Amino acid sequence: NAGVTQTPKFQVLKTGQSMTLQCAQDMNHNSMYWYRQDPGMGLRLIYYSASEGTTDKGEVPNGYNVSRLNKREFSLRLESAAPSQTSVYFCASVRGSVIWEQFFGPGTRLTVL
Amino acid sequence: GEDVEQSLFLSVREGDSSVINCTYTDSSSTYLYWYKQEPGAGLQLLTYIFSNMDMKQDQRLTVLLNKKDKHLSLRIADTQTGDSAIYFCAETPHGSGNTGKLIFGQGTTLQVKP
Repeated sequence: NAGVTQTPKFQVLKTGQSMTLQCAQDMNHNSMYWYRQDPGMGLRLIYYSASEGTTDKGEVPNGYNVSRLNKREFSLRLESAAPSQTSVYFCASVRGSVIWEQFFGPGTRLTVL
Repeated sequence: GEDVEQSLFLSVREGDSSVINCTYTDSSSTYLYWYKQEPGAGLQLLTYIFSNMDMKQDQRLTVLLNKKDKHLSLRIADTQTGDSAIYFCAETPHGSGNTGKLIFGQGTTLQVKP
C-alpha cells in the first residue's frame, strides 16, 4: 500500500497562475482533507470531503476549490495564486469510527512569487 | 469556537524528560490525540487518550489529562535525538459526527541536544 500520495512535491508559481494539487489514497477511506501548514500557525483546514460526492469548507477556504473525483482522489485547485498562498499543503485521509486516525501525505511545498 | 493551544518550542538535552503541554476548549471531545511530524514529512498519529482517563502510558510516552482544566500533556522519557520533531495536540470538534475531523494546535517543535 502506498498510503496517501501527493503530487507535485514542490511547485513555484507566479501570482495569478493556476494549478491543481493532486491527492490519492489506497486505503478505502471515506473522509479526506486538505490542510495548509504555516510557521507558528499549525495546520489549518482548507476543505474536506466526508464521503465521495460531498465537500465542505474548512477554516480557510478562500482562494481554493476542491474536487472529490472518486473515493480515492481529492484534488485542490488554486485558480489565481497569490503570495499569501505560499505554504506547505498536506492531504490526509481518515480511518476510524470512534477513534479517528488521520493519515497524511508527504506534502506539497508551494511558493507563489 | 474550538481552539487548541500549545507553546511553540521546547529544547532539552538527550536523556532528559520532555514535557509538551496543550490546552483545549471543547469539553465534549471524547478522545484527544498527539501527532508527530518529522522533518520533511506529514503527521503521524503518536498516541491518544480517552477523555475519561487521567493517564495513559505507552513505553517512553506518558499522556496526562486534566479534564477540569482542559489540559493535556505528553511526557517523553529518556528523550533521544530521534525524538526531535514537531508535536501536535488535537481534539475532535463538537458536532463533527462521523467525519473524522480534528482541530490541531500550532505544534511544539522539540529540539533535542546531544
